[in-house]
Amino acid sequence: DGGITQSPKYLFRKEGQNVTLSCEQNLNHDAMYWYRQDPGQGLRLIYYSQIVNDFQKGDIAEGYSVSREKKESFPLTVTSAQKNPTAFYLCASKIQGQSNQPQHFGDGTRLSIL
Amino acid sequence: LAKTTQPISMDSYEGQEVNITCSHNNIATNDYITWYQQFPSQGPRFIIQGYKTKVTNEVASLFIPADRKSSTLSLPRVSLSDTAVYYCLVGAFGGYNKLIFGAGTRLAVHP
Repeated sequence: DGGITQSPKYLFRKEGQNVTLSCEQNLNHDAMYWYRQDPGQGLRLIYYSQIVNDFQKGDIAEGYSVSREKKESFPLTVTSAQKNPTAFYLCASKIQGQSNQPQHFGDGTRLSIL
Repeated sequence: LAKTTQPISMDSYEGQEVNITCSHNNIATNDYITWYQQFPSQGPRFIIQGYKTKVTNEVASLFIPADRKSSTLSLPRVSLSDTAVYYCLVGAFGGYNKLIFGAGTRLAVHP
């Protein structure tokens, strides 16, 4: 089955620690996205990438970093600079440049602070 | 980027039709209207998308008036499993496709 796989499903971070969230897609999509969702809220864009080796900051990029070395992978690192990292993190992808093609989402990683 | 306004919550009963209306007064000419469904601890799932008039698929219908300043998602004969948060989004899907997610509408379906 084609889709987006996020791992792990649950993740715990200690103070001062960096953690990396995995996002893999086998849909052959060019564009990939990371969103953060807080309880009872909508999604906010952290980073996005339209093509391999290129990415741009979204609305809340501070304290996060990404890489896009392969088309199918877009890992997100939550650094120690992110002071309030507890949230639900969602990865999405879509076919780039085509109108009326929606984003497809993974099932998320829930990050908590120990 | 066009913002959307939708009810915070709605209640319904099994077997009823549910209509959720979304306002998007500043929609641009090349914007599409897209609805997603989200269950707790899962990613949003695409339901339906349209540009104008009416779109129907096996899950829902989307009604868009001529001025496109609003849209209505219609869920026929809901069941308990339709209890979820529904998001209305407006955006152009060319380019990098930045979407703005509001808080959505929490639909509760009761027996």
